[in-house]
Amino acid sequence: SSELTQDPAVSVALGQTVTITCQGDSLTTYSASWYQQKPGQAPLLIIYDKSSRPSGIPDRFSGASSGETASLTITGALADDEADYYCNSRDSSYYPLFGGGTKVTVL
Amino acid sequence: QVQLVQSGGGVVQPGTSLRVSCSASGFSFSGYGLNWVRLAPGKGLEWIAFISHDAHKTYFADSVKGRFTLSRDNPKNTLFLQMTSLRPEDTALYFCAKDRRPLYDHGDYEFDHWGQGSLVTVSA
Repeated sequence: SSELTQDPAVSVALGQTVTITCQGDSLTTYSASWYQQKPGQAPLLIIYDKSSRPSGIPDRFSGASSGETASLTITGALADDEADYYCNSRDSSYYPLFGGGTKVTVL
Repeated sequence: QVQLVQSGGGVVQPGTSLRVSCSASGFSFSGYGLNWVRLAPGKGLEWIAFISHDAHKTYFADSVKGRFTLSRDNPKNTLFLQMTSLRPEDTALYFCAKDRRPLYDHGDYEFDHWGQGSLVTVSA
């Protein structure tokens, strides 16, 4: 079955830009979505269909995809953006598959 | 606005059963597929189950197949996850999650609204 690989942790200085990547062969077929999860809270959909933002999600969050890699970029990171971020797509049987998550620390 | 409110969960012994519910409001419940996703301690999110809008289709991750069942009561806007033969590795925070787009029999699998989570602890 497929896997989606994310870096376990990244850090970003306040106000700077950070890009989180998600790699997997299923991304050549299926689009990725991205979720933000803070401790003790439910995940929040922040990007769907590779690059679309739900209403209410700030435009400092953007998504892109090329080949086997999907990416989430936070432009002008705020302290409130400190969270775990998960990519999601499909496995080879079309079932949903999450990446292992990336912990973003805002310095 | 869309709300998913969960109930159930708790501490149970291995081999026993537990049911978690998810009560919905703010959208046309019978038009959307629904999912369960769990977060185990120290691990990442794991999708475990889907039920179609009309309950005709259910799909499960291999980790719970044969032990967990899904049902929904559309007139009462409620989703149920019945867990049996529970194992310590089922210990997790369980979330119900709504498909973003309606009427996908195999799941849209973009989860635009989530319940608050139900903690299930399986321990002797």
